[in-house]
Amino acid sequence: AQTVTQSQPEMSVQEAETVTLSCTYDTSESDYYLFWYKQPPSRQMILVIRQEAYKQQNATENRFSVNFQKAAKSFSLKISDSQLGDAAMYFCAYRSAQDAAGNKLTFGGGTRVLVKP
Amino acid sequence: DTGVSQNPRHKITKRGQNVTFRCDPISEHNRLYWYRQTLGQGPEFLTYFQNEAQLEKSRLLSDRFSAERPKGSFSTLEIQRTEQGDSAMYLCASSQRTGMGTEAFFGQGTRLTVV
Repeated sequence: AQTVTQSQPEMSVQEAETVTLSCTYDTSESDYYLFWYKQPPSRQMILVIRQEAYKQQNATENRFSVNFQKAAKSFSLKISDSQLGDAAMYFCAYRSAQDAAGNKLTFGGGTRVLVKP
Repeated sequence: DTGVSQNPRHKITKRGQNVTFRCDPISEHNRLYWYRQTLGQGPEFLTYFQNEAQLEKSRLLSDRFSAERPKGSFSTLEIQRTEQGDSAMYLCASSQRTGMGTEAFFGQGTRLTVV
């Protein structure tokens, strides 16, 4: 079974600064997807960024980028130019690329990001 | 609103009572998922449907839990004889089957408190 670990329960960042969230995972599969989801307080979870394991290039979405190290099974998220609206719980998630697995997600425990004005 | 809709948003129930939650997925999505999220933790997979067929159930889904998705549209999750340990946020998500890297869209969840 796959596991996802987020070792930072909470991270604090000054507005306009950069913060990096760590995520490691364990799998025996070679083809899979990795995601970062954002969950603001009392609001629904939304997808921030996605990485396909077969792609060597790190994904980027505006101020969000990832550092994907497949051999090390590491998938960190960098938030640049942090904004007050970035304050939320961030979850790293794994999904098998095998259709039989049904697209279900395995989540890490989450990292709370606090943004200081 | 064309997103995933969950009702009710909050439910307080007495221990031993039965509760039922509803999820309306995005209309063209044929896969529907239920997750449970306890306070301060990441969501844990409970079960998923492809159209009306329930294809997988987690070991977390005890005999007191049952989920249905009649006609492959909305889904219900029922918990019988609720226990305090059932207190959690129950999240529903939907996705399309086809395509690589299809994204799951989440509802706002139903927060259950068992007193």
